[in-house]
Formats: sequence, C-alpha cells, structure tokens
Amino acid sequence: GAVVSQHPSWVICKSGTSVKIECRSLDFQATTMFWYRQFPKQSLMLMATSNEGSKATYEQGVEKDKFLINHASLTLSTLTVTSAHPEDSSFYICSATKEHLNTEAFFGQGTRLTVV
Amino acid sequence: DAKTTQPNSMESNEEEPVHLPCNHSTISGTDYIHWYRQLPSQGPEYVIHGLTSNVNNRMASLAIAEDRKSSTLILHRATLRDAAVYYCIIQGAQKLVFGQGTRLTINP
Repeated sequence: GAVVSQHPSWVICKSGTSVKIECRSLDFQATTMFWYRQFPKQSLMLMATSNEGSKATYEQGVEKDKFLINHASLTLSTLTVTSAHPEDSSFYICSATKEHLNTEAFFGQGTRLTVV
Repeated sequence: DAKTTQPNSMESNEEEPVHLPCNHSTISGTDYIHWYRQLPSQGPEYVIHGLTSNVNNRMASLAIAEDRKSSTLILHRATLRDAAVYYCIIQGAQKLVFGQGTRLTINP
C-alpha cells in the first residue's frame, strides 16, 4: 500500500517558539493532503485541507495565522505551529489521497507535540 | 457532512466474529461509507469502504443496509491485534470528518 511519512514523530519545544511538521507521500503523488489534531482520548479533528500549489482551506475555528500550512509539491505538505503554547500540545496527523476521496486515504504515523 | 452514530465501546472474544454497527441516517445518495481504525499512538488505518453493495477485502466485510442509513463492519475472526478504535465515516465534500468511533476490546 501507499506510504505517508511524518517527521518528526515527536517534538518538545519551548513556549513561544515555532515548530514545523512535515508530511510526505513516499510513493505516490498526493493531490490533496489533510491535517488533523487529536487530544488524548478524543477523536481526530480536521484542521485544514491543502491542495498542491494553492492556499489551504481551514476548518471553522482553526486559526490560519497560527497553523501555517504549505503544500509546495505533490509529495510534501508542512504544518507550522507558530508561537506555540502548552495548549497546542497534541497529536498531529496528516493524511493524503491519490486522486479523490472515493478511494482510501493514507495516514501518517502522527507527530506528538509537547510545548513546555 | 452526514453524521454517524456508533456505540462508544464493544467487547468480543478472540477468534469470534465481531459486528460493529454504524447509523448514518442523513447520508446522501453519492456519499461513500468509509471505515478506518486507529491503534494507540498511531495514525488511522484504512479498513474498507463502499457505496451501496456489500464489500469484502482481506481485513473485513462491509454490509450496507438497503436504504443506506446504516452499515455494519464485520471482522470475521477477531484477533488481539484487532483491538482498536473503529471509525465509521461518511465521506462528503472531499474530506473525511471523524466521529467518536467505537473502542473495540478483544478478550484472549
């Protein structure tokens, strides 16, 4: 099956700093990538949808200036958490689809962010 | 996006079949039904998806009601590795929106 890789798997950063998380589709071109956030014992919450070469579409309530998403190529999307605070500590997960969503989506292994 | 309703938790025994139900009464005619599962501290994993007809793959079967307002994921012979949170998702607007899912526990 297709592989989506996230990096880093975990990161600890100081409050006020920015953190970048990468999401790569290793063996296919991803027309669309999605970013999710998951708090302990909760479900995944969709943050934004990104298409290669265009601006991301953010879900209601997600601050686009705080969570910067760049989808510069068909195999790479990045999420930057700017001026991170402890409440941003969470499990961030990306997913990618090959063509459209009537086929399966492939998920990364997730990135655990801890802001201290 | 159509909303889904799943039991919060279910329990089964190893090597027995498991039927995980999902209600989606507001599903539209062109919406696909997707199932994913998530093990602790991992990203979700695709299980199966379908539109109207029942579907089978190496992992599971998906039984879709005739009116499409409900579906059932069937694990034919559960193993301990099947313990996970199972999410039933109605795909709409080209995105997957997760509900609360069913936490499946498998007893040895």
